Amino acid sequence: GAVVSQHPSRVICKSGTSVKIECRSLDFQATTMFWYRQFPKQSLMLMATSNEGSKATYEQGVEKDKFLINHASLTLSTLTVTSAHPEDSSFYICSAPNRFSESYNEQFFGPGTRLTVL
Amino acid sequence: KNEVEQSPQNLTAQEGEFITINCSYSVGISALHWLQQHPGGGIVSLFMLSSGKKKHGRLIATINIQEKHSSLHITASHPRDSAVYICAVPGGFGNEKLTFGTGTRLTIIP
Repeated sequence: GAVVSQHPSRVICKSGTSVKIECRSLDFQATTMFWYRQFPKQSLMLMATSNEGSKATYEQGVEKDKFLINHASLTLSTLTVTSAHPEDSSFYICSAPNRFSESYNEQFFGPGTRLTVL
Repeated sequence: KNEVEQSPQNLTAQEGEFITINCSYSVGISALHWLQQHPGGGIVSLFMLSSGKKKHGRLIATINIQEKHSSLHITASHPRDSAVYICAVPGGFGNEKLTFGTGTRLTIIP
């Protein structure tokens, strides 16, 4: 099946620094990617929709200036957490629908990135 | 927004037991996802189904679009099936944004 990778898998940083997380579709082109966040013992929550060649759209309550999304190519979207604070510590996951698969709407998930801000 | 309810929240069973996890949603959809999340956090997509039933190994997923209900079954459960199982539904027809259930934490005891 289609594969989505994320890098890094785990990152620890100091408060105030910026962290970049990459999401790649390895064997298909993804014009759209989704970014989610999961706090401990909670459900995944959609943060934003990343669109290749245009601006990302953010869900209500998600600060676009804090969570910068860039979808520069058909296989790569990046999420940058700027000026990270301990409350940004979370598990970040991306997904991408493969428009060319048999199941048009099937989304493929990355393995996730665990961010810890000290 | 689609409201998603999963049950049970926690389930502990003996190895070999037949497991059923349920998911209900509020808005009609074209397809529903079942996902598995292991303790490390990584998400694995188990099924996407739009009607009827799908089977993969010991896993079976069914959906009733009219009733807005889906079930995930595990036959001959094994300790390695211990994980959190999550159903996810799009916002509605043509809306790809997924809403996730709270998950069912399954523990299979040897």
